[in-house]
Amino acid sequence: EAGVTQFPSHSVIEKGQTVTLRCDPISGHDNLYWYRRVMGKEIKFLLHFVKESKQDESGMPNNRFLAERTGGTYSTLKVQPAELEDSGVYFCASSQEMTANTEAFFGQGTRLTVV
Amino acid sequence: AQSVTQLDSHVSVSEGTPVLLRCNYSSSYSPSLFWYVQHPNKGLQLLLKYTSAATLVKGINGFEAEFKKSETSFHLTKPSAHMSDAAEYFCVVSAPNQGGKLIFGQGTELSVKP
Repeated sequence: EAGVTQFPSHSVIEKGQTVTLRCDPISGHDNLYWYRRVMGKEIKFLLHFVKESKQDESGMPNNRFLAERTGGTYSTLKVQPAELEDSGVYFCASSQEMTANTEAFFGQGTRLTVV
Repeated sequence: AQSVTQLDSHVSVSEGTPVLLRCNYSSSYSPSLFWYVQHPNKGLQLLLKYTSAATLVKGINGFEAEFKKSETSFHLTKPSAHMSDAAEYFCVVSAPNQGGKLIFGQGTELSVKP
């Protein structure tokens, strides 16, 4: 069974450009989460999809970030325009349930560097 | 509100010696607690979780953690470190009615010397 897959693994872009990150969750997992780790800081929640609907987007930093999950399968996270402070590792996770004790399965992350 | 504090950013042990990674949590509710591990260039992998059943939780690769409510701690231990244990470890808390959202500690980098 395939795990959570993220593309690309690395991305280097210039300030002001646009970048789109993709996450393919485990098949059948309705819950999909995005997290981010800025260098030197802890991993922080960005948002949560249940199928194609945004359940919680309280962690999205600003309106330069747009997340979608068309059809309730894969998800994209677009940053437009990118700023230097957006650099970090973006993780995606998926789970079958949305309860507190459910294991979340993580992808390997996308390392974004904005120069 | 929930929060997690990992007391050491870096721990170094010799192979074959015990491992102790410390974690304290704060939660308004009865929390679920997890330890995740990230090896280089890999995704985060669940080591173990506490969900209000047994307070001593056994995980994969010989790791275990003990939930101590009175101390609000959930320290991770292993009796004998192996070189393959070198990785970054995250203590994580999740609260009821939060949609499965995870709150992470700052991470502890574990080095294992031969």
